[in-house]
Amino acid sequence: DTGVSQDPRHKITKRGQNVTFRCDPISEHNRLYWYRQTLGQGPEFLTYFQNEAQLEKSRLLSNRFSAERPKGSFSTLEIQRTEQGDSAMYLCASQSGGAPETQYFGPGTRLLVL
Amino acid sequence: AQSVTQPDIHITVSEGASLELRCNYSYGATPYLFWYVQSPGQGLQLLLKYFSGDTLVQGIKGFEAEFKRSQSSFNLRKPSVHWSDAAEYFCAVGAGNNDMRFGAGTRLTVKP
Repeated sequence: DTGVSQDPRHKITKRGQNVTFRCDPISEHNRLYWYRQTLGQGPEFLTYFQNEAQLEKSRLLSNRFSAERPKGSFSTLEIQRTEQGDSAMYLCASQSGGAPETQYFGPGTRLLVL
Repeated sequence: AQSVTQPDIHITVSEGASLELRCNYSYGATPYLFWYVQSPGQGLQLLLKYFSGDTLVQGIKGFEAEFKRSQSSFNLRKPSVHWSDAAEYFCAVGAGNNDMRFGAGTRLTVKP
C-alpha cells in the first residue's frame, strides 16, 4: 500500500491557462474524491467517482472544471481558463467501498494562479 | 445537510500539557465522525473515527475523542502534548450519502 499520490505537488500558472492534475489512488480503492482547500479553511467537496463513473458534483465545480477517471484507476482534474480565485490546494482521496469507510488523502497539489 | 463547527481557530498549549479541541456537528441522524490532522503543505492524515458502538474512541499518536450525542459534539483530547503535535486539526462529519463536510480547522501551536 503506497498511499494516494498526486502530481504535480505545486503548479504556478498564469490566468487564462489550462492546468491538469493527476491523482493515483490506493490500488483497488473503488471510490475517488476531489476536494478544494483554500487558506484557513477545511477541504470542500468537489466531485467523486465510483470506479469510472462520476456520481456527484458540487456546485463549486464550475463548467471550467472537468474530472475524469477513465479506467477506474487514476483520475485527472482539469481547470480551463484559470482564474486567480482558483488558487488553492486540490486534494484527492480514495476509499474502499461506500460510506462509512475512511477516506485516505493524498499530499495535494497547490495551485497558484498569477 | 450536515455541517461541522470548530469554535477555536487557534489554540496554544505548552508541551506536556493536556489538549482538548472542540467539534460540534449538525446532522439529523447518527453521523460518521472523523478527526484528521494536517501538517503544513501536506495532505490529511486520519487520527480516529467514530461510526458506532463505544462513544470513546482511541486513535493514533495518543489521541482520543468522545462522541456525545446529547451535545452534538466530538471533541478531541490528548493528555500530554508533544511539540510534534503542532499542526492543523480538522473535524469532519459524513453521512450515508457520501458527502463529507469538514470544519474550518483548529491550528495548534505548542510552546516549549
